[in-house]
Amino acid sequence: IVMTQSPATLSVSPGERATLSCRASQSVTNNVAWYQQKPGQAPRLLIYAASTRAAGVPARFSGSGSGTDFTLTISSLQSEDFAIYYCQQYNNWPPYSFGQGTKLEIK
Amino acid sequence: EVQLVESGGGLVQPGRSLRLSCAASGFTSDEHAMHWVRQSPGNGLEWVSGISWNSVTTVYADSVKGRFTISRDNAKNALFLQMNSLRAEDTALYYCARDMSTIPRYYFDNWGQGALVTVSS
Repeated sequence: IVMTQSPATLSVSPGERATLSCRASQSVTNNVAWYQQKPGQAPRLLIYAASTRAAGVPARFSGSGSGTDFTLTISSLQSEDFAIYYCQQYNNWPPYSFGQGTKLEIK
Repeated sequence: EVQLVESGGGLVQPGRSLRLSCAASGFTSDEHAMHWVRQSPGNGLEWVSGISWNSVTTVYADSVKGRFTISRDNAKNALFLQMNSLRAEDTALYYCARDMSTIPRYYFDNWGQGALVTVSS
C-alpha cells in the first residue's frame, strides 16, 4: 500500500490552522497513525486509529478520515509544532508503509 | 518511563556485516512486539523488520529479506538486528520502536534515538 502525503511543504503562520493530507492507494479502514519529527529527534506518535490522540498530545492536534483519505489538523499552530509529519498505515502488513512526509514551516 | 537505546552502529564496507542492539527499559518486554525502522539521510521513514513478543513471528521489508535477521532476548530486555551483505543503500539511521501489541500489527508508540549505519568503502 502506498501512502501519499500532500502537500510536501506547508507554510503557515503561528496561530493559524494547518491541514495535512494523507491518501492510501487502497482502503486501510481506520488503521492510520500520524507522527511528528523535529530535526535531530526521533519520530513521536501523535495520532493512532486515524483519530485517537496518543498520551500527552495536545488537544490542538486532531485526526480524521477512513478508507483511503486521512487528515491531520493542527488548530492553532504553536512554534513547537513546526516539524515534519508522517502518516503510516498498519492495516495491511508487511510492510508498514509511511508517507513521504509533509514539512510544516513558518510562514 | 519507556526508554529505548540503540547501539552498534558504525562505518562498514559493502558486503560486510553489522549487528545492532536496542536496550529497552521502563516496560515489560514480553508484552510488546518490536520493530526496526530506518531513515536514510534527508529522507523519510522506512520500516525494516518486526518481531512478536515470543519471537514466533518475524516480518521483513522486501529490501532486506534474506540479508537481515531480527531477534530478541526478553530476559535481557534486548532487541537485535543482524545485518549481513550490507549495501550502500542500507546507509541510514536505524530506530528501534515499540509496537502497541504483542504481535507486530500496529503503530509505534515509543522510539529510540537511533543508531547510524554507514556503508561505504
